[in-house]
Amino acid sequence: KNEVEQSPQNLTAQEGEFITINCSYSVGISALHWLQQHPGGGIVSLFMLSSGKKKHGRLIATINIQEKHSSLHITASHPRDSAVYICAVRSPTNYGGATNKLIFGTGTLLAVQP
Amino acid sequence: DAMVIQNPRYQVTQFGKPVTLSCSQTLNHNVMYWYQQKSSQAPKLLFHYYDKDFNNEADTPDNFQSRRPNTSFCFLDIRSPGLGDAAMYLCATSRDLRSSHYEQYFGPGTRLTVT
Repeated sequence: KNEVEQSPQNLTAQEGEFITINCSYSVGISALHWLQQHPGGGIVSLFMLSSGKKKHGRLIATINIQEKHSSLHITASHPRDSAVYICAVRSPTNYGGATNKLIFGTGTLLAVQP
Repeated sequence: DAMVIQNPRYQVTQFGKPVTLSCSQTLNHNVMYWYQQKSSQAPKLLFHYYDKDFNNEADTPDNFQSRRPNTSFCFLDIRSPGLGDAAMYLCATSRDLRSSHYEQYFGPGTRLTVT
């Protein structure tokens, strides 16, 4: 079982819809990242959070440390949001205290249709 | 403003022919990472440098080597590429290794094709 699980693996939405992508993890963490990767492209960091909620434009990320769960929300989705969204955590327990190493989820492929 | 730069973006090499991928950074970060990402899979950490200290992940094949001649540059050398080494190779940096305050910054990646 992966230490970082994402759901759904694939998601198709219509333009304008509200989208939620979920991430659950089973290890102790110091921080959680949400990353975006367009097909064939590099990775862009969207959020880094260790508690509460962050908002950037139409994107909102929340984390519940007690439940070991995070969500990424996209409001008023647009076809340019189509990408793979990756949840990654920093786990000092897995890396001997090296808190900046990441454990990645397998990603959620989002397709937003016009 | 490019902060983590990878060259080339696309690289084609022949089976068994050594290839070098390049990463440079303008952030003056202490840590540089190399990841391998195969199609539809999560990135897999190959190794990282903390300053000049090289740290290999336990399951990284010997075929993969790295050099960091200075703070700004880091190279990934694949000594004898096999068909299974075809992947996206991602370089990332962070200011430190043991503080949760610092993010990792990723480059655009180099897509390697082995023919």
